[in-house]
Amino acid sequence: RKEVEQDPGPFNVPEGATVAFNCTYSNSASQSFFWYRQDCRKEPKLLMSVYSSGNEDGRFTAQLNRASQYISLLIRDSKLSDSATYLCVVIIQGAQKLVFGQGTRLTINP
Amino acid sequence: EAGVAQSPRYKIIEKRQSVAFWCNPISGHATLYWYQQILGQGPKLLIQFQNNGVVDDSQLPKDRFSAERLKGVDSTLKIQPAKLEDSAVYLCASSFGVNEQFFGPGTRLTVL
Repeated sequence: RKEVEQDPGPFNVPEGATVAFNCTYSNSASQSFFWYRQDCRKEPKLLMSVYSSGNEDGRFTAQLNRASQYISLLIRDSKLSDSATYLCVVIIQGAQKLVFGQGTRLTINP
Repeated sequence: EAGVAQSPRYKIIEKRQSVAFWCNPISGHATLYWYQQILGQGPKLLIQFQNNGVVDDSQLPKDRFSAERLKGVDSTLKIQPAKLEDSAVYLCASSFGVNEQFFGPGTRLTVL
């Protein structure tokens, strides 16, 4: 079983729609969680951290469910510029290294 | 602030040849990472340095891959000899702590 699993998509949604995707992790010792964004043929960049209490940044909301071992990302009022691959990232306690999921590809259509 | 620099940006070689990639991290970042990203997959950590010491190289194919960070700043990653399955983007990243990593633009390697 992969340490971090994501639905690779692709997700194709119309502009203005709300879209959500999940990421599951297998190691219960995972301590920190992030969403990174990667544009086509570009490097990954941090989108947001995911806190136990959940967090919101504009149109983006990230949540953590430790009991079920998943994190989620919700994008409201999606824009064309949101088209990208969204990478779920987990830090394993003690290992101090980032483990990336394979990414979920999102395309926003006009 | 200057970001993570990598060179070359693109490299095409034939199998069994050798290749080397260079990375200059953000100034002051003690931790440096090399990732391999195969098309359609997330980045896979190859090696992590803390200053000039190796923290994790458990996923580095040591029979053909090597990396060094001699003075705790720049780093080089070498593949010798290359195989077809090494075709990927090689990403270098650096961080001040262990959380947010800043990635370089990557080196796209094609092995023919």
